[in-house]
Amino acid sequence: GEDVEQSLFLSVREGDSSVINCTYTDSSSTYLYWYKQEPGAGLQLLTYIFSNMDMKQDQRLTVLLNKKDKHLSLRIADTQTGDSAIYFCAESMYSGGGADGLTFGKGTHLIIQP
Amino acid sequence: DTAVSQTPKYLVTQMGNDKSIKCEQNLGHDTMYWYKQDSKKFLKIMFSYNNKELIINETVPNRFSPKSPDKAHLNLHINSLELGDSAVYFCASSPPPGAGAYEQYFGPGTRLTVT
Repeated sequence: GEDVEQSLFLSVREGDSSVINCTYTDSSSTYLYWYKQEPGAGLQLLTYIFSNMDMKQDQRLTVLLNKKDKHLSLRIADTQTGDSAIYFCAESMYSGGGADGLTFGKGTHLIIQP
Repeated sequence: DTAVSQTPKYLVTQMGNDKSIKCEQNLGHDTMYWYKQDSKKFLKIMFSYNNKELIINETVPNRFSPKSPDKAHLNLHINSLELGDSAVYFCASSPPPGAGAYEQYFGPGTRLTVT
């Protein structure tokens, strides 16, 4: 079955890099995603990566995918107070044949220390 | 313009009542979804619809019934509400396969409180 695991909390100091890790079990996952949820708000897609890629960079965000170990990470450089949120890892088998839903991890609460 | 909108944003109701949550997307997407986020922030898919057809129906009580009057709308009707139904319900939509962007766009959520 599908399962996505994340640590529940990560505390970092402002200005440091944050690395949020995720593992998944379904080897047929096609796309992997990172969503951000601020308090009381909806889900904002930060980035996604195709399973045939190893890395994707977008400004302060770097996504690394180790398909062999089924490990996904999100690195946020120069973490700011505005980055404080819950970060969800999600996988999809969006193979193009239908309407696959996302399987989410339990979310990592990123706490920024001054 | 809001891409995926939901109404109402907050819904407080008593046990046993029947209620509906509406969702609309103006992105021209073919596929729409309902997710439930519980008090611990765990998110789980409930349903997905593709071109007005039900595709995914996870183990959700049959008190929950999605209704899609057209491609742009997916409403969630809940009968005989229970305390355990209290959660935030998110609607989402995604483009058709091959459209280039494999993203799901989420609505702002509807916080349902059952008393």
